[in-house]
Amino acid sequence: NAGVTQTPKFRVLKTGQSMTLLCAQDMNHEYMYWYRQDPGMGLRLIHYSVGEGTTAKGEVPDGYNVSRLKKQNFLLGLESAAPSQTSVYFCASRGENEKLFFGSGTQLSVL
Amino acid sequence: AQSVTQLGSHVSVSEGALVLLRCNYSSSVPPYLFWYVQYPNQGLQLLLKYTSAATLVKGINGFEAEFKKSETSFHLTKPSAHMSDAAEYFCAVSGLGTYKYIFGTGTRLKVLA
Repeated sequence: NAGVTQTPKFRVLKTGQSMTLLCAQDMNHEYMYWYRQDPGMGLRLIHYSVGEGTTAKGEVPDGYNVSRLKKQNFLLGLESAAPSQTSVYFCASRGENEKLFFGSGTQLSVL
Repeated sequence: AQSVTQLGSHVSVSEGALVLLRCNYSSSVPPYLFWYVQYPNQGLQLLLKYTSAATLVKGINGFEAEFKKSETSFHLTKPSAHMSDAAEYFCAVSGLGTYKYIFGTGTRLKVLA
């Protein structure tokens, strides 16, 4: 019973590099979310998806892109990483009764 | 716009003492309210949820929260703190007809022996 799986767990990038974070869920959930967590700022919503093929912007979408080509996967892309994107990234999916299931996070450092 | 405010970024209590973590929400419509807990190096886990069925909500690990519409509050309590309760706690809100969840800035609970 994997739940929500995020890869990679850690990554260090140089400014200007690109990368993709992968989120996979095996619970057949429709809604998926990407959050970033920064000290003193809680979790802020980057992008979300209400179903396969759909995406929408959250609170802090600038500098990120997402895709939901398959229902079970939600990808978060950084086209040109900046130091301000150093953060811990969490993926979540929504189950019954509005309960969110979270992955274990990706710690990203941009130098 | 919906928002939640958590008063106190750090709270320390002695083992066995009452835990009180504060959350106030801003919404014109009674929302869904949640408390999540995050243990070190882990994702968030649901503690409890309010959905208007009852104002006092019981969650896991002995936690409970009371919804007070007049005060727009949803404070989290536990009668007796345990060392294993040390974690970061987040209040969150989601409105009717939306798919977004807005989180507070979190309160880190420290339990002293």
